[in-house]
Amino acid sequence: DVKVTQSSRYLVKRTGEKVFLECVQDMDHENMFWYRQDPGLGLRLIYFSYDVKMKEKGDIPEGYSVSREKKERFSLILESASTNQTSMYLCASSPPSRVLAFFGQGTRLTVV
Amino acid sequence: DQQVKQNSPSLSVQEGRISILNCDYTNSMFDYFLWYKKYPAEGPTFLISISSIKDKNEDGRFTVFLNKSAKHLSLHIVPSQPGDSAVYFCAARAAYGGATNKLIFGTGTLLAVQP
Repeated sequence: DVKVTQSSRYLVKRTGEKVFLECVQDMDHENMFWYRQDPGLGLRLIYFSYDVKMKEKGDIPEGYSVSREKKERFSLILESASTNQTSMYLCASSPPSRVLAFFGQGTRLTVV
Repeated sequence: DQQVKQNSPSLSVQEGRISILNCDYTNSMFDYFLWYKKYPAEGPTFLISISSIKDKNEDGRFTVFLNKSAKHLSLHIVPSQPGDSAVYFCAARAAYGGATNKLIFGTGTLLAVQP
């Protein structure tokens, strides 16, 4: 079974803090993704990576950055957390030859 | 600009009846479509998919229909069970550079199956 693990299920951070969300996958997938899920807006793609040290902006990259130093790990960074970044964050991975993406369990981030 | 739309935020169905979830898309370049199911506090899990060269795909109680001319797909669940109660997301593939498959998701439909 593919396993995508996000480091935290729940996080509470203060406005202005730098926040790191970590994601690890164990299937040697090349592609990794960060989405956020908000009511009425569905899942929106923040950033994705198709190889180590490679990254591409998704649909809503503003206020975020990412890091992919190792194939199995993809980090999402909130440079200066704001209340409008309160959301459910979902990491996913997939091999390049397949459409199917496997998701982690999600991190519910609250910025106060 | 929402390229994948699920116009019904919620749907309530009696156990044993058919659930029909709908999805519309705008980009004619999408070539693969997927349905994911999501329970609260969990990540989405894959349910069923369909290639744009087909108009129907079936897997047990789940069937997905694709109408390319209308840019519309639907998920049918027959018979519906209380355990099917979840948020259902429609997703479409947007190819990127031939090496990466990027999924564009809809807004989701909350299905409630009443016992």
